[in-house]
Amino acid sequence: AQKVTQAQTEISVVEKEDVTLDCVYETRDTTYYLFWYKQPPSGELVFLIRRNSFDEQNEISGRYSWNFQKSTSSFNFTITASQVVDSAVYFCALSEGYGNKLVFGAGTILRVKS
Amino acid sequence: GAVVSQHPSRVICKSGTSVKIECRSLDFQATTMFWYRQFPKQSLMLMATSNEGSKATYEQGVEKDKFLINHASLTLSTLTVTSAHPEDSSFYICSARVPGGLNTEAFFGQGTRLTVV
Repeated sequence: AQKVTQAQTEISVVEKEDVTLDCVYETRDTTYYLFWYKQPPSGELVFLIRRNSFDEQNEISGRYSWNFQKSTSSFNFTITASQVVDSAVYFCALSEGYGNKLVFGAGTILRVKS
Repeated sequence: GAVVSQHPSRVICKSGTSVKIECRSLDFQATTMFWYRQFPKQSLMLMATSNEGSKATYEQGVEKDKFLINHASLTLSTLTVTSAHPEDSSFYICSARVPGGLNTEAFFGQGTRLTVV
């Protein structure tokens, strides 16, 4: 069965600090997709990244970077030089094969203080 | 990216009444839409998969008679919470899959915050 674990319930950092959000997943499929979403206080889900199981290349997008390691079933997300606007709940999610049903982790609340 | 519009964003209803929530894909046709529910300070849980022109597929534990899903067109899916009770108060959010291949990106609506009083 699919499972996504975000062990960090809440993280508080001071602006400009780097912060890493952890995500560990479980799946029996060899083909799967991993996602990160941001949910600001307004509630909508903002798509950040999608990564398929065959692409272990790390990715950097501005201040955001992702480290995908199949050996440890982890897909961690790092924000460099955090800003107050980064404060939100961040969800890691997994889907297997065809269909796009997403299994979400519990979410990590990130609070960035000025 | 593709746009998914959900309406209303907030609704307050009396216990025992029914509430309809709409999910529209604005610039693409979505054969499949998904409905999720999020309790306060909790994660999103899939309720059902909405398929255009056929019956929705409900996840285990979700009452199909209480949460009616209709996907009558390629751009619209509706979720009706029937005979709502306070315990149905939650954040409901839909997503639509962009067609065109294996596991394409899913875009989410803005969500609907339902409060049953």
